[in-house]
Amino acid sequence: AQSVTQLGSHVSVSEGALVLLRCNYSSSVPPYLFWYVQYPNQGLQLLLKYTTGATLVKGINGFEAEFKKSETSFHLTKPSAHMSDAAEYFCAVSERGANNLFFGTGTRLTVIP
Amino acid sequence: DSGVTQTPKHLITATGQRVTLRCSPRSGDLSVYWYQQSLDQGLQFLIQYYNGEERAKGNILERFSAQQFPDLHSELNLSSLELGDSALYFCASTQGVNTEAFFGQGTRLTVV
Repeated sequence: AQSVTQLGSHVSVSEGALVLLRCNYSSSVPPYLFWYVQYPNQGLQLLLKYTTGATLVKGINGFEAEFKKSETSFHLTKPSAHMSDAAEYFCAVSERGANNLFFGTGTRLTVIP
Repeated sequence: DSGVTQTPKHLITATGQRVTLRCSPRSGDLSVYWYQQSLDQGLQFLIQYYNGEERAKGNILERFSAQQFPDLHSELNLSSLELGDSALYFCASTQGVNTEAFFGQGTRLTVV
């Protein structure tokens, strides 16, 4: 069974500081991995995904994530936070060959001016 | 705009009632997924349809059902509503296997 753990339900960073949102997964077979962002009163938007190939994945809005199989992790980073990054971020997994997503509990990112 | 349309945006109803949520997928997408987002359960996968047929089932209650019509739009039916069913219900669509899922803006259901 798939499961996703996001450490830290709330993360605050100063504008311009590094953003690090943690995600660990539990799966018998390495799954496909995703990060989604949800702005207030909106649906989810895909930031980036890992399926195969290069383990460092670059996404939209300057975000990137690295798949580390040995650590079963897929942490999301951005070198310099912007006020517009304030939102809720969800890590998700899907089994290879399937599209239904299993989500973590989300991390609310606050950016302090 | 993701291209996925959900109606209505908001719905307020009483306990014991039945409601229908509607989703129109992106043009060309054959798969539709329903998710529930609540404060206590987080984001949960409910059910998937592919080209009119049920493809996968998640944590969907027996009081809930869904279908996908020949024009590929989907409806999620929630019956005998309870206070705990209050949540944001999202629809997503994909074109194929392991392709990006595009989410609608959700229907916020409030059961009073």
